[in-house]
Amino acid sequence: GENVEQHPSTLSVQEGDSAVIKCTYSDSASNYFPWYKQELGKRPQLIIDIRSNVGEKKDQRIAVTLNKTAKHFSLHITETQPEDSAVYFCAATLGGGGNKLTFGTGTQLKVEL
Amino acid sequence: DAGVTQSPTHLIKTRGQQVTLRCSPKSGHDTVSWYQQALGQGPQFIFQYYEEEERQRGNFPDRFSGHQFPNYSSELNVNALLLGDSALYLCASSLRFQETQYFGPGTRLLVL
Repeated sequence: GENVEQHPSTLSVQEGDSAVIKCTYSDSASNYFPWYKQELGKRPQLIIDIRSNVGEKKDQRIAVTLNKTAKHFSLHITETQPEDSAVYFCAATLGGGGNKLTFGTGTQLKVEL
Repeated sequence: DAGVTQSPTHLIKTRGQQVTLRCSPKSGHDTVSWYQQALGQGPQFIFQYYEEEERQRGNFPDRFSGHQFPNYSSELNVNALLLGDSALYLCASSLRFQETQYFGPGTRLLVL
């Protein structure tokens, strides 16, 4: 089955700096890759996603890149703010709906003032 | 537009007991997936329901079972609770042929 590895497990940056979180997946058939943000005691919230027919997607300060050949994808957050502090999870799944999400182990991002 | 809702928010049980958790999907969604999130871990897929049938199952024992009702809401049942079942149980809803899943707030289960 699919296996998703995520690094780093913790990341501390200064406010205004950029943060990068990396994930690798094992199943070359996976073609949908969402990122979720989970604040303490809250539900995972979808922040951005990418499909395998796209190499990069951007939404304001957040971007995701995908390298299908290498089977890895990354989350980039620019101009970090204290409210970006949370746990971020990457996930992978087969496309077409009706398929389970396989999650990484999470990255605790701390944005320091 | 109502999002995904779950009940109860918290639950305390003792070993050997049984528990039922409930989920109402986002308005318009017809597919419900259940995940278990242990402390400090990513969510682990338990199973998925569509058209009132279990469509996919993760690596969880038969003590974990579920149901989906005609209005698309769903229940997760866990029998013979173990200490290791203590976790946050998340429900996610989606449309059958779309990948995007939206999560509910979860039910935090503590087994003593």
